[in-house]
Amino acid sequence: SQTIHQWPATLVQPVGSPLSLECTVEGTSNPNLYWYRQAAGRGLQLLFYSVGIGQISSEVPQNLSASRPQDRQFILSSKKLLLSDSGFYLCAWSGGSNEQFFGPGTRLTVL
Amino acid sequence: GQQVMQIPQYQHVQEGEDFTTYCNSSTTLSNIQWYKQRPGGHPVFLIQLVKSGEVKKQKRLTFQFGEAKKNSSLHITATQTTDVGTYFCAGSSNDYKLSFGAGTTVTVRA
Repeated sequence: SQTIHQWPATLVQPVGSPLSLECTVEGTSNPNLYWYRQAAGRGLQLLFYSVGIGQISSEVPQNLSASRPQDRQFILSSKKLLLSDSGFYLCAWSGGSNEQFFGPGTRLTVL
Repeated sequence: GQQVMQIPQYQHVQEGEDFTTYCNSSTTLSNIQWYKQRPGGHPVFLIQLVKSGEVKKQKRLTFQFGEAKKNSSLHITATQTTDVGTYFCAGSSNDYKLSFGAGTTVTVRA
């Protein structure tokens, strides 16, 4: 069966520090991968998606970037965090049936 | 771009009562999906509707896709405390992306 992992679960970072969040998927090949951000009590904002290794589409201009170095690995990064980057970051994957399966998420607090 | 609006934002329900949450898209959708997010958790896929006018049921939950494929609804009967959470609709227009509504957060009074 397929599983999706995200780490860390929680993170507290100072403003201006770098960020690296990792997401890996097991049990499937060539998944579509997604990064979302969810502000407290709000909906899901799509940040990036990828349909293959090295292929990244950005949905919202911001100081975040994403990379897909391997088929089942998706990384969200920032060189310098802003206060507004705080939120709940969710990674998701989808296959041929289109529904998305979400990881447990990372709660990021930027102070 | 495609926008998906969802109402109401909050739904306070007496245990045992019914309620409905509605979803409307600015464009015609190829399919619509519904997700549930429990407090402190991550969204979990519930169902996908593809056909115009489609109705699907999961126990006490009834999902409907409009004839024009621009709106959808989720109706829950005999609400239980296990129904607490936020319900999101998400629409797709023939690509890899989903546009999520803002969600309906449901609380239940015992």
